[in-house]
Amino acid sequence: EVQLVQSGAEVKKPGESLKISCKGSEYSFTSYWIGWVRQMPGKGLEWMGIIYPGDSDTTYSPSFQGQVTISVDKSISTAYLQWSSLKASDTAMYYCARPATRYCSGGSCYPNWYFDLWGRGTLVTVSS
Amino acid sequence: QSALTQPPSASGSPGQSVTISCTGTSSDVGGYNYVSWYQQYPGKAPKLMIYEVYKRPSGVPDRFSGSKSGNTASLTVSGLQAEDEADYYCSSYTGSNNFRYVFGTGTKVTVL
Repeated sequence: EVQLVQSGAEVKKPGESLKISCKGSEYSFTSYWIGWVRQMPGKGLEWMGIIYPGDSDTTYSPSFQGQVTISVDKSISTAYLQWSSLKASDTAMYYCARPATRYCSGGSCYPNWYFDLWGRGTLVTVSS
Repeated sequence: QSALTQPPSASGSPGQSVTISCTGTSSDVGGYNYVSWYQQYPGKAPKLMIYEVYKRPSGVPDRFSGSKSGNTASLTVSGLQAEDEADYYCSSYTGSNNFRYVFGTGTKVTVL
């Protein structure tokens, strides 16, 4: 089954670092971009950024630029979202999501502008 | 980049129709036919319901339909069923400030 499998819930203290993961399963991982979406408790969806596993090309939302790092290890079909110093305000559910591929050309693939595959989410709780 | 504007809530009785609006700008909703809609149940991941303004993924009931006029997109759920009670989010491609995606503020649909 084609799916995105996210790592488990995390409980951290302010100032700690964290790296959560999203593993693509049963599809060509390097042919699809992977995005990250934040949902704070009781709030809406916020797009954080997106990465292309083929060459690690990454775009961040200005709201999250410098606050998080998105990376990928294509050898194990896994994307990551990491923090160097967590804050209580980072408490949220984090989803990885895959946009459909619009087309591939010259060895690169380009995303469509909707997410048709979602992970189940990773709940991150930051509390002292 | 501000979130797209949706009404906080909408409701209807079983069998009725409900329409949710999603208002953006000419840099997002109005400028591109890349509006999508997602359904989210409490504690669950969002699910794609409509993409590219009006297209339905396989498996989505045809009770769900999308449209757009100017800077406002709409999702209509016809023949409301109890299972349609959920949060709905619109989203659009945006060409401003190297943004790519922007979500709406979300609408809670209640089936009375």
